[in-house]
Amino acid sequence: DTEVTQTPKHLVMGMTNKKSLKCEQHMGHRAMYWYKQKAKKPPELMFVYSYEKLSINESVPSRFSPECPNSSLLNLHLHALQPEDSALYLCASTSGDSNQPQHFGDGTRLSIL
Amino acid sequence: AQTVTQSQPEMSVQEAETVTLSCTYDTSESDYYLFWYKQPPSRQMILVIRQEAYKQQNATENRFSVNFQKAAKSFSLKISDSQLGDAAMYFCAYRVYGGATNKLIFGTGTLLAVQP
Repeated sequence: DTEVTQTPKHLVMGMTNKKSLKCEQHMGHRAMYWYKQKAKKPPELMFVYSYEKLSINESVPSRFSPECPNSSLLNLHLHALQPEDSALYLCASTSGDSNQPQHFGDGTRLSIL
Repeated sequence: AQTVTQSQPEMSVQEAETVTLSCTYDTSESDYYLFWYKQPPSRQMILVIRQEAYKQQNATENRFSVNFQKAAKSFSLKISDSQLGDAAMYFCAYRVYGGATNKLIFGTGTLLAVQP
């Protein structure tokens, strides 16, 4: 069982739809991450939140909008996505101590029609 | 800039045998962490093992061990007594010492197949 929970597991949406991905952790972690992963490729960092504040945005297009309502929850709002945005979206969290690894969720498989 | 290189896109091992996955990295930092993550078809990235650069002793976790050569900037993973459940994509990753917002830099991955 994963300690980082992502919903939904699968999402199919049209290019004009608005949807959101959700990530939740109850380990008391203070840093949370969104990654995008294409098939057989390593994850690519998108955003980092530290203590509920956005600290890193890896030049992600504005059609992806992150939100961190509280220390346990991280959302990724999607709007007007392109077919090339189809990918596995992974959430991760870590305690904030530099020697602690990131814990990953199972991901959301996103398909854009 | 830091980079991580995995030169073996695919590897295969017989069940119960031993396999070694290679990883090299480039950095000018002296304090950093190295990780091996496993990603089975179920998708979740699972931490296999980690190594602090300041520790000379190689990390070990049950059947998994690393050969950390700091001067050579090499960090290979050895899997002993391979099991069918070890079949997965393995990613080597690097993170510089510091806060949690320091980026985790991944290699390109090695797809490991385990033959019965």
